[in-house]
Amino acid sequence: SQQGEEDPQALSIQEGENATMNCSYKTSINNLQWYRQNSGRGLVHLILIRSNEREKHSGRLRVTLDTSKKSSSLLITASRAADTASYFCATAPFGGNKLVFGAGTILRVKS
Amino acid sequence: GAGVSQTPSNKVTEKGKYVELRCDPISGHTALYWYRQSLGQGPEFLIYFQGTGAADDSGLPNDRFFAVRPEGSVSTLKIQRTERGDSAVYLCASSSGDTQYFGPGTRLTVL
Repeated sequence: SQQGEEDPQALSIQEGENATMNCSYKTSINNLQWYRQNSGRGLVHLILIRSNEREKHSGRLRVTLDTSKKSSSLLITASRAADTASYFCATAPFGGNKLVFGAGTILRVKS
Repeated sequence: GAGVSQTPSNKVTEKGKYVELRCDPISGHTALYWYRQSLGQGPEFLIYFQGTGAADDSGLPNDRFFAVRPEGSVSTLKIQRTERGDSAVYLCASSSGDTQYFGPGTRLTVL
């Protein structure tokens, strides 16, 4: 069963706009990771945020983590058509190694 | 360097047949994971290897599924008596730390 839930399920924006995706989870975690997936195949790792971190940046990506609310958000700034993909959050439960994924957000960036 | 590779990229089989899916992890990665992803969902954990041994096989759905990693590198996921419900993309990942790096997946279709 999947732990996380992403919100929204689908998002359509214009190129240049910002995209925000949210993720909620249920149990204590060691870290939370965001992945991108194109065409239903391999996942590309975007960013990892540890449970003792609140915010992290990587290029046009900004991730926040609120462990008290068991939630995270991924912000993609100045979106491009190439950002069109599915985005998944995945949590590494405290004391475990496996990743628990949400159902994902489908992002479409229109040019 | 080379990423995680998986073969075959696509496999079509008939109900009741046996299949083997192969994963070549990133060189030097001691941890290897198998996940299964059904259409429209996030990946679900199947099994985790640390070296040659299966450290966590709690995600294997039943005893038709088995995986090995005899030399601590390449892993093979074996599915006996395949069923139509086994149709999915099977993803392999490897890691040397917290970040898991995924292969392109094998799309299994059981007719």
